[in-house]
Amino acid sequence: QSALTQPASVSGSPGQSITIACTGTSSDVGSYNLVSWYQQHPGKAPQLMIYDVSKRPSGVSDRFSGSKSGNTASLTISGLQAEDEADYYCCSYAGSRNSVFGTGTKVTVL
Amino acid sequence: EVQVVESGGGLVQPGGSLRLSCAASEFIFSSHWMHWVRQAPGKGLVWVSRINSDGSSTMYADSVKGRFTISRDNAKNTLFLQMNSLRAEDTAVYYCVRGMYSSSPGGFDYWGQGTLVTVSS
Repeated sequence: QSALTQPASVSGSPGQSITIACTGTSSDVGSYNLVSWYQQHPGKAPQLMIYDVSKRPSGVSDRFSGSKSGNTASLTISGLQAEDEADYYCCSYAGSRNSVFGTGTKVTVL
Repeated sequence: EVQVVESGGGLVQPGGSLRLSCAASEFIFSSHWMHWVRQAPGKGLVWVSRINSDGSSTMYADSVKGRFTISRDNAKNTLFLQMNSLRAEDTAVYYCVRGMYSSSPGGFDYWGQGTLVTVSS
């Protein structure tokens, strides 16, 4: 069960926008609008940031947005803030494999 | 406030067994799919297993199929993961996770704090 592919790291200055790509296949990302994104600070449990490709749970800042094109989903963080520094994981429903996570991206705020 | 709290982790020898529990509160437990997700030290998240709302359907990652069994007791609002034939590569923090929807797949909206399982001699 191969993981979805994410860049190992992405960085940006405060106030800038960054985008994290999540590349899967036609069996997961490309087939279902069930991509979610999670933020994880060191030593903490992951937190849901985006679900169903582009929906935000209550309480999540509107600086976070999601989209999808073909087999690739993306998470954009606009107006980057110091508190956004964390690891980010995408996840897609994958039918018979149920769910598959991405490899994870470390976001650094310069 | 919705809570899921794991317990049962610890040190176990290769080939041994361990049973994880997850106590759920402040939501209708019997209405949600539940999952286990693990994270090896310094590594990424890996989905392990899921069970549907009434316990009639389960799924497993290939890496644990035939060794792990997920179950639930809706009367006691508790999720379980029975882990047998444990290997060193099963060493990880195991998270109990609530599925967003009651009858279909989707994101994971509530996570426990995790319980550490260490497989070592």
